[in-house]
Amino acid sequence: NAGVTQTPKFRVLKTGQSMTLLCAQDMNHEYMYWYRQDPGMGLRLIHYSVGEGTTAKGEVPDGYNVSRLKKQNFLLGLESAAPSQTSVYFCASSRSGTEGYGYTFGSGTRLTVV
Amino acid sequence: GQSLEQPSEVTAVEGAIVQINCTYQTSGFYGLSWYQQHDGGAPTFLSYNALDGLEETGRFSSFLSRSDSYGYLLLQELQMKDSASYFCAVRRGATNKLIFGTGTLLAVQP
Repeated sequence: NAGVTQTPKFRVLKTGQSMTLLCAQDMNHEYMYWYRQDPGMGLRLIHYSVGEGTTAKGEVPDGYNVSRLKKQNFLLGLESAAPSQTSVYFCASSRSGTEGYGYTFGSGTRLTVV
Repeated sequence: GQSLEQPSEVTAVEGAIVQINCTYQTSGFYGLSWYQQHDGGAPTFLSYNALDGLEETGRFSSFLSRSDSYGYLLLQELQMKDSASYFCAVRRGATNKLIFGTGTLLAVQP
């Protein structure tokens, strides 16, 4: 099984351009998450989804939109990229339920906005 | 608000034991998780504690005290490959949403 796959792996954008990051998981997980990781700041939650057709805001949602039209896919959109959005973006998925199931992370997308 | 505190760096020698502490302040606490991340890689799940006490998984153990809002990750018989960043993360709510600390960089020296 591939687990969690993120595309693209690298991208350079100009300020004001838009793009979509794709996350796909093949583990039939209900929950999916988007995080960004910046030096010295750990991982910060952008948006998350608890099921197909549902999304919710995390800690740092401004400037991002998400969609979960299919259970296996979770898309992160940047409508008008800004240099402050230069970061490494990680997608993750987990099982649902009362237990604290561990996340499976994708390998990340390294985005630079110039 | 919410916050998690863990040391920024820890150094230890091969074969030794090291403890990485994590203190947290948050509402809606469900449990504490630990993740490992090698440089440039994806974080990987190590452990989860929902109740007070020690959970052991091979060379790694994790401890939680809910009354003290404190936990730690214990790594035994350190190996060079254990050099990585370690993150504690608080689970908030039934949705399994995690809020991560800023990470501890562990350097294992020969």
